[in-house]
Amino acid sequence: DAGITQSPRHKVTETGTPVTLRCHQTENHRYMYWYRQDPGHGLRLIHYSYGVKDTDKGEVSDGYSVSRSKTEDFLLTLESATSSQTSVYFCAISGGVIYGYTFGSGTRLTVV
Amino acid sequence: TQLLEQSPQFLSIQEGENLTVYCNSSSVFSSLQWYRQEPGEGPVLLVTVVTGGEVKKLKRLTFQFGDARKDSSLHITAAQTGDTGLYLCAGTPNTGNQFYFGTGTSLTVIP
Repeated sequence: DAGITQSPRHKVTETGTPVTLRCHQTENHRYMYWYRQDPGHGLRLIHYSYGVKDTDKGEVSDGYSVSRSKTEDFLLTLESATSSQTSVYFCAISGGVIYGYTFGSGTRLTVV
Repeated sequence: TQLLEQSPQFLSIQEGENLTVYCNSSSVFSSLQWYRQEPGEGPVLLVTVVTGGEVKKLKRLTFQFGDARKDSSLHITAAQTGDTGLYLCAGTPNTGNQFYFGTGTSLTVIP
């Protein structure tokens, strides 16, 4: 009912394999974000999008790429997963910073 | 160094007690937001404070924005077990356009 869903919720993958996480929104919000959350580091921005095909890097973008071909979908790809990318990944949407962010339920990714 | 420092980092209290969580920065913010995150879920927006000195109440939760707009506090009266979670402050400093999250306060309310 929150208008944002992430898939998968859990994934275990091997080092060196590509992984794609999906974020889907039904709110028609312009802004979409990918964060990772790690103990001791809090929430860190990976990439964000301010419109279809308009994306930019965040604080910790190395090793990640994103794509947004439709307003409702924002994909995060780990080209070649590493153990340091084991984390919980959150997608967020916003109609503007002053309105706050709506977060998805997260994807717990384990790279073994 | 984090732009938004929260204290305490961890807090464990008995049900019915009062508590205050702090969010501090050396930067001025046009607004600050507070989120609560429960285990296994994403953060949920509680409130946005915009004006220096502003006080907002949300049932038993009272949020205050500092006069200089560099800090904020969250006060919970008569804590309940349902208040357990990670509390995060967040905002964009006037000097930039990046949105920052605080370091977080993990609250546990013991029945």
